[in-house]
Amino acid sequence: DAKTTQPPSMDCAEGRAANLPCNHSTISGNEYVYWYRQIHSQGPQYIIHGLKNNETNEMASLIITEDRKSSTLILPHATLRDTAVYYCIVRVRAGNMLTFGGGTRLMVKP
Amino acid sequence: DSGVTQTPKHLITATGQRVTLRCSPRSGDLSVYWYQQSLDQGLQFLIQYYNGEERAKGNILERFSAQQFPDLHSELNLSSLELGDSALYFCASSVYEQETQYFGPGTRLLVL
Repeated sequence: DAKTTQPPSMDCAEGRAANLPCNHSTISGNEYVYWYRQIHSQGPQYIIHGLKNNETNEMASLIITEDRKSSTLILPHATLRDTAVYYCIVRVRAGNMLTFGGGTRLMVKP
Repeated sequence: DSGVTQTPKHLITATGQRVTLRCSPRSGDLSVYWYQQSLDQGLQFLIQYYNGEERAKGNILERFSAQQFPDLHSELNLSSLELGDSALYFCASSVYEQETQYFGPGTRLLVL
């Protein structure tokens, strides 16, 4: 699976959009971008995933650049409950394991 | 709530002992995955089962073993426990092998 690079930490004001970047310059054509988050030692929570096109669900939006070498997870109106470590994972769809890196620790502040 | 359940939530035991962690996947999910999260290693994949068969192995120690039963629940057995085995152990499940994995709340193991 392709390696990902994320900033170790970010801050965001409550109510504002949180934009979390992820670089995956060695991504292959059959690899998906997955985002999970982990709130203080709870089980990782699935957020969203995509291959080429931008995706949106009730939790977030995923913007993937045209060359697929980077992506951005957008939480449109961050709340204090969104404070967590966010993991960007690149995964072959047929792969078994998820390979977690260090993630980005997002702190949402009042 | 992901629908994946794990028991127990907390487990305290002594070095050299053996413990069993249990995972019930989401209804309808055939695949179960085990992950370990320690302070110095982060989240690491241990092993995967699909419909009762072992499908993939990660950095799982020989002292650890797992199985998936006909009702699809899974157990992770940890034996000859060492201080370094203290960690959070997560189970995840997915409908099929290629699908999105959903994680349980974890079991926190403390080896004294």
